[in-house]
Amino acid sequence: DIQMTQSPSSVSASVGDRVTITCRASQGISSWLAWYQQKPGNAPKLLIYAASTLQYGVPSRFSGGGSGTVFTLTISSLQPEDFATYYCQQAKSFPYTFGQGTKLEIK
Amino acid sequence: QVQLVESGGGVVQPGKSLTLSCAASGFTFTNYDIHWVRQAPGKGLEWVAVIRSDGNKEYYADSVKGRSTISRDNSKKTVYLRMNSLRAEDTAVYYCTRVGRSVVQYSGMDVWGQGTTVAVSS
Repeated sequence: DIQMTQSPSSVSASVGDRVTITCRASQGISSWLAWYQQKPGNAPKLLIYAASTLQYGVPSRFSGGGSGTVFTLTISSLQPEDFATYYCQQAKSFPYTFGQGTKLEIK
Repeated sequence: QVQLVESGGGVVQPGKSLTLSCAASGFTFTNYDIHWVRQAPGKGLEWVAVIRSDGNKEYYADSVKGRSTISRDNSKKTVYLRMNSLRAEDTAVYYCTRVGRSVVQYSGMDVWGQGTTVAVSS
């Protein structure tokens, strides 16, 4: 199985800050990766697919990058509604796997 | 509108069985693989199972393999997850979600249901 490891597990930041979350795959997955945002009590929301393509309707302050084994999710200027938990997920092979999550908290 | 609606959750005793349903509307059901993803209380997301758009292939997480069966009825636009020999560690919110079929790139899990809660307890 492909293991997905996110770092950091949690991060504190302020409105307006730039934040980057990293996701590492235990083996190469090309660009078969997506990023999700989840707020308490809600289902996850797709932000980025194919590693770097912004889902329709997602603000442009979100961006994704990387290929192979190292991927990033960057929020260029944090807004109050961005404080949530973020997950990466690989779709190179079954079983699909998620990272453990990164909780983004208000400083 | 495009929607997935789960049902069938509840409180169930260890060792018993449960069938979850995922009803789709607002899109061409046969163009999508349907996945189940679960989230235990206070924990992260765990992929559970998938059934291909034509219903001819299924895959399972090791944690449920041999105890669960995913199926779909394209005429009813519904996917089912039958879970047997339930354990305390199966306690979670279960979401169904869709993924468009592509061999070119991954389109992501773009539509999710609201989730249905399964609690395994005596």
